[in-house]
Amino acid sequence: EPEVTQTPSHQVTQMGQEVILRCVPISNHLYFYWYRQILGQKVEFLVSFYNNEISEKSEIFDDQFSVERPDGSNFTLKIRSTKLEDSAMYFCASSDYRNTGELFFGEGSRLTVL
Amino acid sequence: KQEVTQIPAALSVPEGENLVLNCSFTDSAIYNLQWFRQDPGKGLTSLLLIQSSQREQTSGRLNASLDKSSGRSTLYIAASQPGDSATYLCAVEGSTFGDGTTLTVKP
Repeated sequence: EPEVTQTPSHQVTQMGQEVILRCVPISNHLYFYWYRQILGQKVEFLVSFYNNEISEKSEIFDDQFSVERPDGSNFTLKIRSTKLEDSAMYFCASSDYRNTGELFFGEGSRLTVL
Repeated sequence: KQEVTQIPAALSVPEGENLVLNCSFTDSAIYNLQWFRQDPGKGLTSLLLIQSSQREQTSGRLNASLDKSSGRSTLYIAASQPGDSATYLCAVEGSTFGDGTTLTVKP
């Protein structure tokens, strides 16, 4: 069964460093998403991506964040100058349609900022 | 701004019981609502997606309903099993999530 894969599963970084989280969406999907979940809190939408550009982003997704589809399979989230409060689980998801498509999530990348 | 609320926050039932989880949303102009299951430290597993034109969807022992006019969706789980123990999340249009209901099914 097709699945969304994410790497790394866990990353520890020092405050101020840059991190890149990677995702391989389901191959025939066209819409890609990033979410974060701070421990004990709700899943929060960060950004959606379609046709090589951001289609929607939340207030959380400020200049510290960027997304990229560097090749035909990978979808990345870059977090610059990490802060302690960036510690969270980051989930990638994909769907075949924006408003009617079922979302499929990866297992997540746990980011710990020290 | 859309807000999603799930009640109860936690639920404990004996094995075999039928149960209903609730999800309410403030803005009824939605395209879809999706129910997920999340096990501790894991990703979200899609259970059911209901489009705005649908009133319910079924998959095995699960049935989800949607009433846009009242801003409510329910997830019905029949004949619950210990393996159903998890946190159940609803999400409106993949953008706004509830806090979830943590279900424990006791053997």
